[in-house]
Amino acid sequence: GAVVSQHPSWVICKSGTSVKIECRSLDFQATTMFWYRQFPKQSLMLMATSNEGSKATYEQGVEKDKFLINHASLTLSTLTVTSAHPEDSSFYICSASRQVTYEQYFGPGTRLTVT
Amino acid sequence: QKEVEQNSGPLSVPEGAIASLNCTYSDRGSQSFFWYRQYSGKSPELIMFIYSNGDKEDGRFTAQLNKASQYVSLLIRDSQPSDSATYLCAVKGGGGNKLTFGTGTQLKVEL
Repeated sequence: GAVVSQHPSWVICKSGTSVKIECRSLDFQATTMFWYRQFPKQSLMLMATSNEGSKATYEQGVEKDKFLINHASLTLSTLTVTSAHPEDSSFYICSASRQVTYEQYFGPGTRLTVT
Repeated sequence: QKEVEQNSGPLSVPEGAIASLNCTYSDRGSQSFFWYRQYSGKSPELIMFIYSNGDKEDGRFTAQLNKASQYVSLLIRDSQPSDSATYLCAVKGGGGNKLTFGTGTQLKVEL
């Protein structure tokens, strides 16, 4: 398989502050990375698709000004949650996709708690 | 209508039995099909993927695809307690490269 890392694994921040989450594909180049959010006992929700060198494509209902995504290289994508609020507390998971076969490999996730 | 449907379960099987997990999808143009396992509090882990009609085996896992019936399944032979998890079915449609996930089936393997 392929390895995707995510940092930090958990973070606690105060309401109104911003948090940056990094996602790295360690052993393959990922032209596309995805960001998901998952609330307890609920299914994965795709937030956005991130292509290297271009603007991210956000799913309907996801605020692009609140969830800033940058995909500056073939191995790194970042998600910044701006002006975080308690309702943003969730499990954020990134994935990286191989171009030809399209399977996605997930990072270990980041648990965000906003107080 | 949901695009990818799975029975939420829980599906309970005794240790050593075969667990059968099912998934249906609505987009006839779907090309690629994936099974993921997700333990509670963890991120999904890819088990296997299948593109062609028929069966694909990998160790104790067998994926089965029937495009005419728009049906994909995962069989787990010799189920172990460590297989207890939520199994997610994901489908890639005809356009783009994002996957559509089902809501998952919770599997419990009992001693």
